[in-house]
Amino acid sequence: DAGVTQSPTHLIKTRGQQVTLRCSPKSGHDTVSWYQQALGQGPQFIFQYYEEEERQRGNFPDRFSGHQFPNYSSELNVNALLLGDSALYLCASSPDPTISSYEQYFGPGTRLTVT
Amino acid sequence: SQKIEQNSEALNIQEGKTATLTCNYTNYSPAYLQWYRQDPGRGPVFLLLIRENEKEKRKERLKVTFDTTLKQSLFHITASQPADSATYLCALDRHSTLTFGKGTMLLVSP
Repeated sequence: DAGVTQSPTHLIKTRGQQVTLRCSPKSGHDTVSWYQQALGQGPQFIFQYYEEEERQRGNFPDRFSGHQFPNYSSELNVNALLLGDSALYLCASSPDPTISSYEQYFGPGTRLTVT
Repeated sequence: SQKIEQNSEALNIQEGKTATLTCNYTNYSPAYLQWYRQDPGRGPVFLLLIRENEKEKRKERLKVTFDTTLKQSLFHITASQPADSATYLCALDRHSTLTFGKGTMLLVSP
């Protein structure tokens, strides 16, 4: 049973560029959430996708956008990169959130470095 | 907005002792509270979930308590082992999104 997978593992970008990160949820999960984790901090919620729609959003600017595909995989896009966007980006999947609360299964993350 | 505080200092204990980690929060009480373990450079791994109407939850050597009056959760690892060394994250669950604390690093020495 495949867990949550993310690609790429590492990424180095320059300020002002755009980046796309990808996530495949655990088999049987239809909800994907994205988190940003800066060094020494806990993960911060960016947004959650369910049924191909953004269901909830954290306190992040519009430069952060996402998408969910019919197979439940998801992308996180960040435009106009800033140095402060350097972080570990985590994808987490879970079953239908409208039924109950479940633990979230996290992927290994994508380490983004902006220079 | 919700604020979550976990022991900022690393917790150093000897193998075999019980480790106790604290999670305090302000504002609203969540319907659920979750604890995760995170190893360096890896994603968090789920450990336990406790509901607001539950006082205590156990799983093997792990125990979590949840006091909505004190707005506090305690996480215990009994008979700790060096393999338990990691960062432990407390997360408040509201509408199936998680708000995390900064985490507490636990170091268990042989």
